[in-house]
Amino acid sequence: EAQVTQNPRYLITVTGKKLTVTCSQNMNHEYMSWYRQDPGLGLRQIYYSMNVEVTDKGDVPEGYKVSRKEKRNFPLILESPSPNQTSLYFCASSFASGSEQYFGPGTRLTVT
Amino acid sequence: GDSVTQMEGPVTLSEEAFLTINCTYTATGYPSLFWYVQYPGEGLQLLLKATKADDKGSNKGFEATYRKETTSFHLEKGSVQVSDSAVYFCALSDNGTGRRALTFGSGTRLQVQP
Repeated sequence: EAQVTQNPRYLITVTGKKLTVTCSQNMNHEYMSWYRQDPGLGLRQIYYSMNVEVTDKGDVPEGYKVSRKEKRNFPLILESPSPNQTSLYFCASSFASGSEQYFGPGTRLTVT
Repeated sequence: GDSVTQMEGPVTLSEEAFLTINCTYTATGYPSLFWYVQYPGEGLQLLLKATKADDKGSNKGFEATYRKETTSFHLEKGSVQVSDSAVYFCALSDNGTGRRALTFGSGTRLQVQP
């Protein structure tokens, strides 16, 4: 089954404790992206990757890092989480940047 | 920059009522337009799309027409069901700059009552 998986689905952590949210897709997609969803703001892009070893900032990259060492994986790293990063995070992939995006189920992160 | 504006929700309807969710956009060039749906506890799923002016996207009884003259892509359904309760997002792609896949509206929550 074609899908995007994310782990963990839920995470509660404390300020400053480094964490990684994993994302993997099995569709051989070139383009991958991370979004955060906040009430009243819709989805905002954090980082994206056009291909392996090619990543770039989206609209709200501050406080986040990503890597793309393999085509299928695109982890999101929070080196020192802060409460304003409490949000619902989605990973997405697509064949190309302008084509249909396939979304993961989401990761709800709470930083206290 | 590109932007998408959706009507604020929630929209509350009775079953079998007619649905319209308004969406307008601002973009340079000729974007593709999408409607995504998010059911409770799930990620977004593509509902329908249109890639050029006057195209009509349709799926599961939902329709939207790409209107370049009014820069709109309103979502409609003739008879909603309780199972249509979800959050609906209008989005556009920048088609060619390659930098940003999708620009989303803020979402409209639809609640359908039996």
